[in-house]
Amino acid sequence: QVQLQESGPGLVKPSQTLSLTCTVSGGSISSGSYYWSWIRQPAGKGLEWIGRIYTSGSTNYNPSLKSRVTISVDTSKNQFSLKLSSVTAADTAVYYCASDPLEYWGQGTLVTVSS
Amino acid sequence: DIQMTQSPSSLSASVGDRVTITCRASQGISNYLAWFQQKPGKAPKSLIYAASSLQSGVPSKFSGSGSGTDFTLTISSLQPEDFATYYCQQYNSYPHSFGQGTKLEIK
Repeated sequence: QVQLQESGPGLVKPSQTLSLTCTVSGGSISSGSYYWSWIRQPAGKGLEWIGRIYTSGSTNYNPSLKSRVTISVDTSKNQFSLKLSSVTAADTAVYYCASDPLEYWGQGTLVTVSS
Repeated sequence: DIQMTQSPSSLSASVGDRVTITCRASQGISNYLAWFQQKPGKAPKSLIYAASSLQSGVPSKFSGSGSGTDFTLTISSLQPEDFATYYCQQYNSYPHSFGQGTKLEIK
């Protein structure tokens, strides 16, 4: 059973870069069975797809965030990461990592953008 | 971008009822559609993929249908644990957009 766990700072200052890591256990991130995705959800609102990465490093991003987003993978650590630059209060949300297809999800981590 | 519109946005039903939630895509997505269930404070749970395929471990009371632009999620014999918010998602083209959600509440 694949499990995912997000980690990273829960508070980020405006204009800074949000950085999160997702650790995959119960399976190899290099297996080729999945892409690896990031999704976010502001409090009380719906889900927003941020982007995804394949084990090869190939990425797809949401155009609405593309200029600020970088997703990377570290196969040696069985991890993939999200960086979102120039954050504002509108980026405050619960951030989820997930396999893609979206079969397995992390528990989510709340990131608040505030000074 | 493909817009996904769910209806209704909220729905009240009783234990034992059968309910149907609709998801409409702004353009054709073949059968590249998934359904998720989310309970408060929890991550979404995958129910259905490829419009009608049940995810492993999901009870058969959940069923999906549709192709092209119109899709439905049907839940039969509602139980207390089924009251949650349901989302559809298209993965035919980028970005892989979600519907706005349907909140299923106990009547």
